[in-house]
Amino acid sequence: EDQVTQSPEALRLQEGESSSLNCSYTVSGLRGLFWYRQDPGKGPEFLFTLYSAGEEKEKERLKATLTKKESFLHITAPKPEDSATYLCAVGYSGTYKYIFGTGTRLKVLA
Amino acid sequence: EAQVTQNPRYLITVTGKKLTVTCSQNMNHEYMSWYRQDPGLGLRQIYYSMNVEVTDKGDVPEGYKVSRKEKRNFPLILESPSPNQTSLYFCASRMLNTEAFFGQGTRLTVV
Repeated sequence: EDQVTQSPEALRLQEGESSSLNCSYTVSGLRGLFWYRQDPGKGPEFLFTLYSAGEEKEKERLKATLTKKESFLHITAPKPEDSATYLCAVGYSGTYKYIFGTGTRLKVLA
Repeated sequence: EAQVTQNPRYLITVTGKKLTVTCSQNMNHEYMSWYRQDPGLGLRQIYYSMNVEVTDKGDVPEGYKVSRKEKRNFPLILESPSPNQTSLYFCASRMLNTEAFFGQGTRLTVV
């Protein structure tokens, strides 16, 4: 069964304490792995797309990486404003189908 | 500005009273979809549409209807809402193999 699993479910960090979020998937015919940030009560906002194993993308304190089985979202020296839920989604080859993970709730303490 | 617009943002209604949540996008995207988001369950797809007059069921379609008469609009219809449809709803649009753009969300309460 095609599946996307995110871990941990929740993470509390001190400001400046770097960490990584995991998104593992069992999907045949991957056509894109997408990371989103979601603030409470708001729609998810796009962060990164990764298409092939070995690919990396960076934006400010965030860096996303992709292997054949999982993706990591690395957060370097986080700030309180990085607190949010981070979602990953996987696209299928040749279709519009997406599967979303259930997200990681990140809280960064000042 | 590229955007997906949902209305209303908040809605409280009674069981059985038909309602429609509107969704409009200005990016000429072919694909549009509706999701509901519940604590611990993540985003679950209700219905999707690959183009005008082409719609199909997602993972949780029971109790919902959609239509796609124009490319930019994709309304979600609840013919007879029930309390278990209380949720946060999102409309999204995109092109094939690209990122999705989400609306601001509609928080629906059915009493």
